Amino acid sequence: NAGVTQTPKFQVLKTGQSMTLQCAQDMNHEYMSWYRQDPGMGLRLIHYSVGAGITDQGEVPNGYNVSRSTTEDFPLRLLSAAPSQTSVYFCASSLVPGRTEAFFGQGTRLTVV
Amino acid sequence: AQSVTQLDSHVSVSEGTPVLLRCNYSSSYSPSLFWYVQHPNKGLQLLLKYTSAATLVKGINGFEAEFKKSETSFHLTKPSAHMSDAAEYFCVVSVSTGGFKTIFGAGTRLFVKA
Repeated sequence: NAGVTQTPKFQVLKTGQSMTLQCAQDMNHEYMSWYRQDPGMGLRLIHYSVGAGITDQGEVPNGYNVSRSTTEDFPLRLLSAAPSQTSVYFCASSLVPGRTEAFFGQGTRLTVV
Repeated sequence: AQSVTQLDSHVSVSEGTPVLLRCNYSSSYSPSLFWYVQHPNKGLQLLLKYTSAATLVKGINGFEAEFKKSETSFHLTKPSAHMSDAAEYFCVVSVSTGGFKTIFGAGTRLFVKA
């Protein structure tokens, strides 16, 4: 029962560095998304994808890129890390967005110094 | 426009007493409503969902919520709190309008005292 798998669990970056957060799901869900969680703000949508080859921006996309070459994988790239990107990042997938359960990964705690 | 407001950032109850976590929403369309729970250092897990069927929705671990359209509320309740219920709870509203939009509430942290 893998579900949604995120790596790494923790990461510390220096300002200006780039990195990729990995996300994989084994439920054959077309819809996948990335959120960031900041204290007192709930989860905010960064980018989402409705299927392989199709991505779109969410509420807070600046500074992040995504791609979706397969149904299973949806990596999130930080292009040039900034302290404002210190957050906890969650990947999620669902069968029918907004109607069925979203399955979340365990999260990646990112600190940018 | 859609919005969701969780009326309490923190709720503290004693073990064995009822739990009430309040959520109000605003939506121009018929919404789907969800409650998710997040235990420390974990991802979010679905507690229950409302998608235009029965207005009283039963979820996992003894939680339930009632969709009240007239009050635009979707409060989460449990008759008797357990120590393992201590966590953060998120109310979520989703609407389909050609595309779709999902909005998370800011969260309510539930503390359970022995």
